[in-house]
Amino acid sequence: RKEVEQDPGPFNVPEGATVAFNCTYSNSASQSFFWYRQDCRKEPKLLMSVYSSGNEDGRFTAQLNRASQYISLLIRDSKLSDSATYLCVVNGPLDTGRRALTFGSGTRLQVQP
Amino acid sequence: GAVVSQHPSRVICKSGTSVKIECRSLDFQATTMFWYRQFPKQSLMLMATSNEGSKATYEQGVEKDKFLINHASLTLSTLTVTSAHPEDSSFYICSARGETQGLDTEAFFGQGTRLTVV
Repeated sequence: RKEVEQDPGPFNVPEGATVAFNCTYSNSASQSFFWYRQDCRKEPKLLMSVYSSGNEDGRFTAQLNRASQYISLLIRDSKLSDSATYLCVVNGPLDTGRRALTFGSGTRLQVQP
Repeated sequence: GAVVSQHPSRVICKSGTSVKIECRSLDFQATTMFWYRQFPKQSLMLMATSNEGSKATYEQGVEKDKFLINHASLTLSTLTVTSAHPEDSSFYICSARGETQGLDTEAFFGQGTRLTVV
């Protein structure tokens, strides 16, 4: 089983739509969670961290369910510029000393006019 | 935000030659740098973790003699792909993290290097 699993998509949605991405992770001791955005042939960029209480940043809402080992990202009022690949990213347990991030394969979003 | 600079952004080399990729943290001290590889339509896969002044830790399946990593200072790590072959063609990305009060800072990524071996 992959450490971080995501639906690869693509998700094709019209402008203004609401779209949700899900992600599951295998290590229950994982410490921190993020959503990154990656544009074609570019490096990933941090979109937002994911907190246990859930957090919102403008049109973006992230949620974490530790019991189910599940992370989600909700994008409201989609814009054309939201078209990208969204990467679910997990940081390993502190006691392993593993400071590298583990990436999901990404979910591709295409917002259409 | 912090900046990580990676060079070159694109390189084409002949099979059998070696290629060096540099990763620099420009405005912070990166205690740890990470090297990832990404094949088309796949996720970033961690190749190795390098700590300043010590040997890199390689992930399973990554040949340390083929992918030489040097992290000589807190701001520079290099990845050398030795005796490159066409199957080494990929997008290589470095990432750097610092520490604040014993906690990891956000990971910052270089711009990536697209390696094509012909």
